[in-house]
Amino acid sequence: GQNIDQPTEMTATEGAIVQINCTYQTSGFNGLFWYQQHAGEAPTFLSYNVLDGLEEKGRFSSFLSRSKGYSYLLLKELQMKDSASYLCAVKDSNYQLIWGAGTKLIIKP
Amino acid sequence: ETGVTQTPRHLVMGMTNKKSLKCEQHLGHNAMYWYKQSAKKPLELMFVYNFKEQTENNSVPSRFSPECPNSSHLFLHLHTLQPEDSALYLCASSQDETGGPNEQFFGPGTRLTVL
Repeated sequence: GQNIDQPTEMTATEGAIVQINCTYQTSGFNGLFWYQQHAGEAPTFLSYNVLDGLEEKGRFSSFLSRSKGYSYLLLKELQMKDSASYLCAVKDSNYQLIWGAGTKLIIKP
Repeated sequence: ETGVTQTPRHLVMGMTNKKSLKCEQHLGHNAMYWYKQSAKKPLELMFVYNFKEQTENNSVPSRFSPECPNSSHLFLHLHTLQPEDSALYLCASSQDETGGPNEQFFGPGTRLTVL
């Protein structure tokens, strides 16, 4: 079966750095996505990785290792507004997104 | 504002009611999706439409019936639902249903409660 694993919840301090991990087992691979979802709101796109390596976009970076079935989302200089759920999703061989259950990130002052 | 709107935002219905959820996208996309989001569970893909044709039905019970009259509008018709169907129903759209970044844009969702 297809499976995406990510931690249920993480806590970090304002101004710090946090890394959210995602491991996946899917039938085929056509890219990995990270989305951010604030409570009561729609998920919004953060990043896309299809080749191994690090993609940097401002305070957020996303890393992919296809051989290990592993990705992480790195958030730097954390702000209170970064408190949200972070969803990892993989596009499989049928171009359908397989989703993780999300990681709830709590930022403390 | 993602360019995808959903109505209603909240819906409470009895098990014998019939209701419909509406989704509209203003992005010129060709693919539209219905997802179910339950607490602490992964997003569950329900239906996919690509160029108005249904391309995916993930073993969804027949009490959920989708309709896609054109590339901009998507409906989910609800009939004789069960309490376990209570969840957030999200609509999304993307340029089309292929590889590449082609990210999905989500609406704000309809919070459905079945009594």
